[in-house]
Amino acid sequence: GEDVEQSLFLSVREGDSSVINCTYTDSSSTYLYWYKQEPGAGLQLLTYIFSNMDMKQDQRLTVLLNKKDKHLSLRIADTQTGDSAIYFCAEKAGTSGTYKYIFGTGTRLKVLA
Amino acid sequence: DVKVTQSSRYLVKRTGEKVFLECVQDMDHENMFWYRQDPGLGLRLIYFSYDVKMKEKGDIPEGYSVSREKKERFSLILESASTNQTSMYLCASSSQGFQPQHFGDGTRLSIL
Repeated sequence: GEDVEQSLFLSVREGDSSVINCTYTDSSSTYLYWYKQEPGAGLQLLTYIFSNMDMKQDQRLTVLLNKKDKHLSLRIADTQTGDSAIYFCAEKAGTSGTYKYIFGTGTRLKVLA
Repeated sequence: DVKVTQSSRYLVKRTGEKVFLECVQDMDHENMFWYRQDPGLGLRLIYFSYDVKMKEKGDIPEGYSVSREKKERFSLILESASTNQTSMYLCASSSQGFQPQHFGDGTRLSIL
């Protein structure tokens, strides 16, 4: 069945780059998303990438997609303490009328001052 | 900006009560979703709806029902609350096509 996997924790120093990785299994994935969840809040969409793209950059965020290996990564440049949160990878998979969103378990990013 | 509003941030109920969680979106989205979030388990889909009066079971529908009488509102109902339904509940909406889901702030529900 469909599955999205992420490592549970990542710790980086302020000013360094963070790289959060995600693997997925469904080859019918059309769109892949990164969400950020701060404590006590809902999920906030950060960025997304279409499955026919390799890379997308948006200010400090860079998304890389390796479709052959079904691997997605989110790079945060110049990581700040305000980036401390849980980051979820998600895919939209399936065909028209039967698609679904599948989420990873989230990676907790801790930024050390 | 899309706004998804969940009626309560925190809710405390007793075992056996009937519990209603309300969600309203203001962007005329066709699709609405209810998830629960538990530590180490990520988000699990309870129910979703692609249109008014339409509902589909997600991965963990047992013990829950939903209602979508109007396009903007999607209600989650715990028919007889149990302690294992203590969780964070997240509502989301999306339009068709590639558009991502937009989430509410969540309702942290405690069943005593």
